[in-house]
Amino acid sequence: GNSVTQMEGPVTLSEEAFLTINCTYTATGYPSLFWYVQYPGEGLQLLLKATKADDKGSNKGFEATYRKETTSFHLEKGSVQVSDSAVYFCALSSQGAQKLVFGQGTRLTINP
Amino acid sequence: EAEVAQSPRYKITEKSQAVAFWCDPISGHATLYWYRQILGQGPELLVQFQDESVVDDSQLPKDRFSAERLKGVDSTLKIQPAELGDSAMYLCASSSPGVSGANVLTFGAGSRLTVL
Repeated sequence: GNSVTQMEGPVTLSEEAFLTINCTYTATGYPSLFWYVQYPGEGLQLLLKATKADDKGSNKGFEATYRKETTSFHLEKGSVQVSDSAVYFCALSSQGAQKLVFGQGTRLTINP
Repeated sequence: EAEVAQSPRYKITEKSQAVAFWCDPISGHATLYWYRQILGQGPELLVQFQDESVVDDSQLPKDRFSAERLKGVDSTLKIQPAELGDSAMYLCASSSPGVSGANVLTFGAGSRLTVL
């Protein structure tokens, strides 16, 4: 079945550091890939998405590239801020399906 | 900006009691989802509706959980009787087909259930 594996957290960085959160997936065909973010006490918000191989999703300084050859969708940001502290979820929806399958989440803490 | 409304935000109940959660999706969204998120884990789909019809409830524990969307708009998720292991965040989401080809889900703030 379809599945998503994220790097285990928690991840703690200093402000302005470079961020990478790894995500790999298992799916048949060509899934769409997503990163969602969950701030404390809130629901999940879409951060970025990519629908086909080599697409790059970007938003708020975050980027992720859909790599079919490595079945990966790693999240990156060049310079993190304290306000980026949250839990980040990688997710996929398979071809012809609407539901999302999520990874286990990675908690990110940015210290000033 | 349109939101998915959920209530209650927090619910504390004793085991063996009944509990219900309500969700009002974004207007015009035909697809509605209920997810369960156990602390420290990713959300898992419980049930998916297309209008008023269930299209996926394969992970819904049907002996104690039920969900309905009678008029194809708002939805209720019920647990009876609640068990200690049901303590979790219950997330509702809705979606409509995306012009880009990706089906983007919009989530509500969630209902946090604690079973004592």
